[in-house]
Amino acid sequence: EDKVVQSPLSLVVHEGDTVTLNCSYEVTNFRSLLWYKQEKKAPTFLFMLTSSGIEKKSGRLSSILDKKELSSILNITATQTGDSAIYLCAVEGAQKLVFGQGTRLTINP
Amino acid sequence: DTGVSQDPRHKITKRGQNVTFRCDPISEHNRLYWYRQTLGQGPEFLTYFQNEAQLEKSRLLSDRFSAERPKGSFSTLEIQRTEQGDSAMYLCASSLGQGTYEQYFGPGTRLTVT
Repeated sequence: EDKVVQSPLSLVVHEGDTVTLNCSYEVTNFRSLLWYKQEKKAPTFLFMLTSSGIEKKSGRLSSILDKKELSSILNITATQTGDSAIYLCAVEGAQKLVFGQGTRLTINP
Repeated sequence: DTGVSQDPRHKITKRGQNVTFRCDPISEHNRLYWYRQTLGQGPEFLTYFQNEAQLEKSRLLSDRFSAERPKGSFSTLEIQRTEQGDSAMYLCASSLGQGTYEQYFGPGTRLTVT
């Protein structure tokens, strides 16, 4: 059965710190890996990583896909209180997204 | 607003009642997905449509659940004879297609069964 595991499940840091969130997966027919940010509402899309695009960057956020290790990391530098959210990793395998449990990130001022 | 919309945003119902939720995807998106999310968990896939065809249903979708997308545009998700375990956030997402197209989520419908 397809599985996505995220770590840590919860992380508390101070504003300005750099954080790294992890995602590992076991999925048949891997097509893409996506990162979403979820505050008190629906997930909002951050990045999509595929075999042809294993590294993405947007501002303070960046992500890398390691197809050999079946994993991905999401880095956030110079964190701000507005980065506090649940970060979800999802992998598209057979026609649908399989989500991890999420990492709850809290940024303290 | 041209994003995915869902209605209602909140629904409180008594056990045993039927409920129906609606999802309007982004207009040019031909794929539409339903997910369920409970507290502390990531969303779980329920079903998806390619235009009006329902192509896959999760085993989470018992026979009390039915989804339609009659004209390949909006979709409805109906739950019959609701149970307390159905309490969750029901999320709808849409995408241009499969594979290299990201899914965009609507705001969700939060269902509480009392």
